[in-house]
Amino acid sequence: NAGVTQTPKFQVLKTGQSMTLQCAQDMNHNSMYWYRQDPGMGLRLIYYSASEGTTDKGEVPNGYNVSRLNKREFSLRLESAAPSQTSVYFCASSEMAALAYEQYFGPGTRLTVT
Amino acid sequence: QKEVEQDPGPLSVPEGAIVSLNCTYSNSAFQYFMWYRQYSRKGPELLMYTYSSGNKEDGRFTAQVDKSSKYISLFIRDSQPSDSATYLCAMSANAGNMLTFGGGTRLMVKP
Repeated sequence: NAGVTQTPKFQVLKTGQSMTLQCAQDMNHNSMYWYRQDPGMGLRLIYYSASEGTTDKGEVPNGYNVSRLNKREFSLRLESAAPSQTSVYFCASSEMAALAYEQYFGPGTRLTVT
Repeated sequence: QKEVEQDPGPLSVPEGAIVSLNCTYSNSAFQYFMWYRQYSRKGPELLMYTYSSGNKEDGRFTAQVDKSSKYISLFIRDSQPSDSATYLCAMSANAGNMLTFGGGTRLMVKP
């Protein structure tokens, strides 16, 4: 089992460019999450998907969109990147929304916006 | 003021020491308390979770919750260099709620 995988591992964008971060899990989990991690700020939830076909905003959704492509895959899109979106992005999954306290994280994508 | 506060460290201890990592919080509705460990350039991994008050032990790790003081702790006994990582506390009001994370404490265990 690979667990949660994320691509790409690193990315450098110019202001205004767009990109999609990909996430996939092979644990047959129902719920998936996108976080960003900034120094001293901990992890902040951007969007989550409690189950296939549903998505909801988290704490910091502005500037992002998500797609729950199927049960395995959950992508995060930056339509017009800004320097404030420079961060490390983590995808996570949990067996179900009611077990949100037990999340499994991917290795992260390090994004720099210049 | 952040809802969950953690001293960022770094906390440097010699191998074999007992380590105490702590978080304070302001939301009295929190009932689920988690500790995640994050190695450098890796994703966080769940170490332990506790529901409500009390202690929970797992090997060298003990999680302690004091809801009256809004204070949680993680103790690591016989610390090892392999314990060197950032430790994040996280909390939620219900099992299905979004998690609120602390900023993390960086721990260094010196051989």
